[in-house]
Amino acid sequence: DAGITQSPRHKVTETGTPVTLRCHQTENHRYMYWYRQDPGHGLRLIHYSYGVKDTDKGEVSDGYSVSRSKTEDFLLTLESATSSQTSVYFCAIGLGLGRNQPQHFGDGTRLSIL
Amino acid sequence: QKEVEQNSGPLSVPEGAIASLNCTYSDRGSQSFFWYRQYSGKSPELIMSIYSNGDKEDGRFTAQLNKASQYVSLLIRDSQPSDSATYLCAVPSDNYGQNFVFGPGTRLSVLP
Repeated sequence: DAGITQSPRHKVTETGTPVTLRCHQTENHRYMYWYRQDPGHGLRLIHYSYGVKDTDKGEVSDGYSVSRSKTEDFLLTLESATSSQTSVYFCAIGLGLGRNQPQHFGDGTRLSIL
Repeated sequence: QKEVEQNSGPLSVPEGAIASLNCTYSDRGSQSFFWYRQYSGKSPELIMSIYSNGDKEDGRFTAQLNKASQYVSLLIRDSQPSDSATYLCAVPSDNYGQNFVFGPGTRLSVLP
């Protein structure tokens, strides 16, 4: 099983505070992804990474930043959280090096911003 | 923006019946297609992948791909209440096949 751990699993915070979500993998996969999932919108890509210090924006990147200083960790930061960022956040890893390989998802982080 | 469409459901079928889930996509050049199952409150789980036209079978699941018509379907035979979940279709969103766009999902309910 592709080992992928998200932390925290749940978080409640206030508008305007910074929030960092962590995704940790144990199998040296190159590609890592952050998604958010909201009712009526499905899974939407926020940012992704294709290697250490190599990241790019997804469909809904405004208000989010990411960092990947080690292969195993991919961090998602909300610099100043807003209520519209209340969502379930999933981290995923790409299971292969080649094209058209599926993704494996972590258990998710449920984030509530009051 | 490449699009993936699915009927949101809910699709209700009796236990033991065949459930048929459909997905259409906008990019004629797409090369790979994935079906994920997501139970309520859980993360998506990969259940099928298909790359070539035709059918691919895995246990009670069959994925069907028709690139000319730009649709991919998932058939679940002998549906069980444990199959009740939301099924997501995923299609590459770029030419490198490393990023994907997900459909909104179809909620399936299998009635005992």
